[in-house]
Amino acid sequence: KAGVTQTPRYLIKTRGQQVTLSCSPISGHRSVSWYQQTPGQGLQFLFEYFSETQRNKGNFPGRFSGRQFSNSRSEMNVSTLELGDSALYLCASSLGGMGYNEQFFGPGTRLTVL
Amino acid sequence: DQQVKQNSPSLSVQEGRISILNCDYTNSMFDYFLWYKKYPAEGPTFLISISSIKDKNEDGRFTVFLNKSAKHLSLHIVPSQPGDSAVYFCAVSYGQNFVFGPGTRLSVLP
Repeated sequence: KAGVTQTPRYLIKTRGQQVTLSCSPISGHRSVSWYQQTPGQGLQFLFEYFSETQRNKGNFPGRFSGRQFSNSRSEMNVSTLELGDSALYLCASSLGGMGYNEQFFGPGTRLTVL
Repeated sequence: DQQVKQNSPSLSVQEGRISILNCDYTNSMFDYFLWYKKYPAEGPTFLISISSIKDKNEDGRFTVFLNKSAKHLSLHIVPSQPGDSAVYFCAVSYGQNFVFGPGTRLSVLP
């Protein structure tokens, strides 16, 4: 069974631009969660989608948004990029949701904002 | 205010010895606890979990202990191997609330 895939793996943008990241979950998984990892901050939860509905949201500004398609693939969008948005963005999929189920993570997208 | 703390940013252990990684949480509502391991340039991978109705769970060389009254959990790795060198994250949840700790970098020295 194929694992979680994320595209692109690396991305360089400039301040003020917007970016879209993509995540394809493991086949059959209906939950996709997104995380931001920065040095010293661990994994900060962004949001979770389950069956195309946002089920849970972390404490990030409205510039961060996402969506999930009927095939469970998910996209995350960041508008008006800031230098502080430079981070590794990870997505994870699970069968029933992030709370009580093992999450399977993709390799991440490394975003650099100049 | 951090809901989950891993007070040791890094830990070095000799190969063959025990590694003990600690995690503290603030909210007694959390009822499910997990540990993930992360190698550089890879996403985290699930290691082991424990629910609040238990105080210990073992899986091979990995054991997680839960002390609910102290709001503390720990991961024991015995014996430690060089391949265990990674960043370890604890995670806590209840309902749809899910929080990762900041991580502890474990280095197992040959």
